[in-house]
Amino acid sequence: GDSVTQMEGPVTLSEEAFLTINCTYTATGYPSLFWYVQYPGEGLQLLLKATKADDKGSNKGFEATYRKETTSFHLEKGSVQVSDSAVYFCALDRNSGNTPLVFGKGTRLSVIA
Amino acid sequence: DVKVTQSSRYLVKRTGEKVFLECVQDMDHENMFWYRQDPGLGLRLIYFSYDVKMKEKGDIPEGYSVSREKKERFSLILESASTNQTSMYLCASSQQGSKETQYFGPGTRLLVL
Repeated sequence: GDSVTQMEGPVTLSEEAFLTINCTYTATGYPSLFWYVQYPGEGLQLLLKATKADDKGSNKGFEATYRKETTSFHLEKGSVQVSDSAVYFCALDRNSGNTPLVFGKGTRLSVIA
Repeated sequence: DVKVTQSSRYLVKRTGEKVFLECVQDMDHENMFWYRQDPGLGLRLIYFSYDVKMKEKGDIPEGYSVSREKKERFSLILESASTNQTSMYLCASSQQGSKETQYFGPGTRLLVL
C-alpha cells in the first residue's frame, strides 16, 4: 500500500545551521505531497505542499521539491531558528477521491541557540 | 480564519468509563478525521467521515466508535476506556476532494487510569 518514510529524529541543530529532513514515498499514480509542522502543545498545520512532479513548495524559508524519479520530497531550510523547533510530518494524498492523507511518523527538530 | 476546536485539551478518565471527545469545525468542510498520536508511531487514523451520518474505519478503529449527526461536529467515543488508549487525540477537517489541506485542532491529551 501507499506509505511515507521520513528520517527518524530527533534532529538537533545549532541556530543558523542548514536543515534537511528526508522524506520518501511509495504510491501508485501521482500523489500530492505535503509537509505539516506541529509546534509544542499544538495541532498540526500545513507548512507547504506540491501537487505534481518538479513542483517546489515553499513557506517560511522552508522548501521541498517533488522528485518523481527518486520518489522524494525532502524538506530544507538554509538557516534554522530556535522558533523552528517542532515535529515535522511528511504526508501524501493519493489524489483519488476522498481517501485520507498518509502520514510519515514525524521528525522532531530541536534548534539550540 | 479557519478553526477546528476540540472540547478538552486534557482529560483524565478511569478504566471502563465511556469517553466522548468532541470536535467542531467552522469551515463547512465535508471531511472530518480522528487520529491518535503516540511517540514513535506518528499519527494513526482511527475513523473518518465524508458526510453527515457517514463513517469509515481507519487503520486502528478497534475500541472506538464515532458519530457525525451534524456537518460541523464529529465525535469520537471510547465505549469502555482502557489504559492503552492513553494518547493524544487529534481531530482534522478538510474540503471534499483530493489535494485539499487538512486543518487540525489543538489535540486532546487523554490519560486513562
